[in-house]
Amino acid sequence: SQTIHQWPATLVQPVGSPLSLECTVEGTSNPNLYWYRQAAGRGLQLLFYSVGIGQISSEVPQNLSASRPQDRQFILSSKKLLLSDSGFYLCAWAGISYEQYFGPGTRLTVT
Amino acid sequence: ELKVEQNPLFLSMQEGKNYTIYCNYSTTSDRLYWYRQDPGKSLESLFVLLSNGAVKQEGRLMASLDTKARLSTLHITAAVHDLSATYFCAVDPHQGGSQGNLIFGKGTKLSVKP
Repeated sequence: SQTIHQWPATLVQPVGSPLSLECTVEGTSNPNLYWYRQAAGRGLQLLFYSVGIGQISSEVPQNLSASRPQDRQFILSSKKLLLSDSGFYLCAWAGISYEQYFGPGTRLTVT
Repeated sequence: ELKVEQNPLFLSMQEGKNYTIYCNYSTTSDRLYWYRQDPGKSLESLFVLLSNGAVKQEGRLMASLDTKARLSTLHITAAVHDLSATYFCAVDPHQGGSQGNLIFGKGTKLSVKP
């Protein structure tokens, strides 16, 4: 069966510091992968998606970037965090019907 | 631009009552998804609706899709406290070569009270 991991689970970072969030998927090959952000009490905002290694599409211009160095690894990064980057970051992979399966999430607080 | 609107955004129900959550979307699509999110947790997939007239049921929840009306409903029967959560619908706006870039509604926060 497929599983999706994210780490860290929680993170508190000062403004201007770098960020690296990691997502890995097990039990499937060449999945479509997605990064979402959910601000407190809000809906989901798609940040990036990837259909293969090295292929990244950005949905929202911002100070975040994403990379996919391996088939089942998706990384979200920033060189300098902003207060507005605080939120709940969710990674997801898509199944056959494009049904998305979400990881447990990373709760980021920028102070 | 595809818009997905859910209503109501907040719903307070009594146990044992029935209610329906609505999800309207603004462009043609035949793929709609329902998710549940518990406080502080990730999203859990509930239903996948892939054609006009599709109906899926799981326990006290039943979801349906009318692609002509661009409307999906999530019906709750005889609500129980355990159903308290936020429910999201999501629409895949692409026909054919979809990449699964779902557009989510804002969510309906359901609170079931004794």
